[in-house]
Amino acid sequence: QSVLTQPPSVSGAPGQRVTISCTGSSSNIGAGYDVHWYQQLPGTAPKLLIYGNSNRPSGVPDRFSGSKSGTSASLAITGLQAEDEADYYCQSYDSSLSGLKVFGGGTKLTVL
Amino acid sequence: EVQLVESGGGVVQPGGSLRLSCAASGFTFDDYAMHWVRQAPGKGLEWVSLISGDGGSTYYADSVKGRFTISRDNSKNSLYLQMNSLRTEDTALYYCAKDSTAMAPGYYFDYWGQGTLVTVSS
Repeated sequence: QSVLTQPPSVSGAPGQRVTISCTGSSSNIGAGYDVHWYQQLPGTAPKLLIYGNSNRPSGVPDRFSGSKSGTSASLAITGLQAEDEADYYCQSYDSSLSGLKVFGGGTKLTVL
Repeated sequence: EVQLVESGGGVVQPGGSLRLSCAASGFTFDDYAMHWVRQAPGKGLEWVSLISGDGGSTYYADSVKGRFTISRDNSKNSLYLQMNSLRTEDTALYYCAKDSTAMAPGYYFDYWGQGTLVTVSS
């Protein structure tokens, strides 16, 4: 059971928009801690996608965007492309656990 | 170009020990905190441990506390994870990850290695 809750899977057709939610609690996202998102393509290491809730590292297309409100955060992908098919993970800091860094369980994005 | 290359994984019996290494290049190593993150086969990501840039602060997930020890040698640009009393549930791909800051508890993981596989089995 992950501290941050994500839907196990989402899907969309090429060109469509999909969103992935990440729900936390008052000890992590709700406490004001930032949310970061990672993309893991099949068979590869995770890659930073969004940091500080809504910032894109250099090289990440602007089709990817992040937002945060209350105890939740969201990743939106517009203009869906076949190469976006991957697992997506949200991550934050948790003040109630000695674990410090917490991840969502991951969301498998399927491009139909 | 930032590069993180893990090594040291393998097959070990329950109760055994293993030491993982991560060789870093392409950035000023002691300017950044470093982490170990693991991923069990077919599962999600789990943060394991963090060490600050100067090595003075370390943190562990409850699941490994008292069994794993993180360390770094800034003169060799290397990160380590000593894993003792290994359990079957420690079986995973272990990633070395660079933090975006020097201080604990760090911020986000901006670069990841390709991982080294640890299998705990009798």
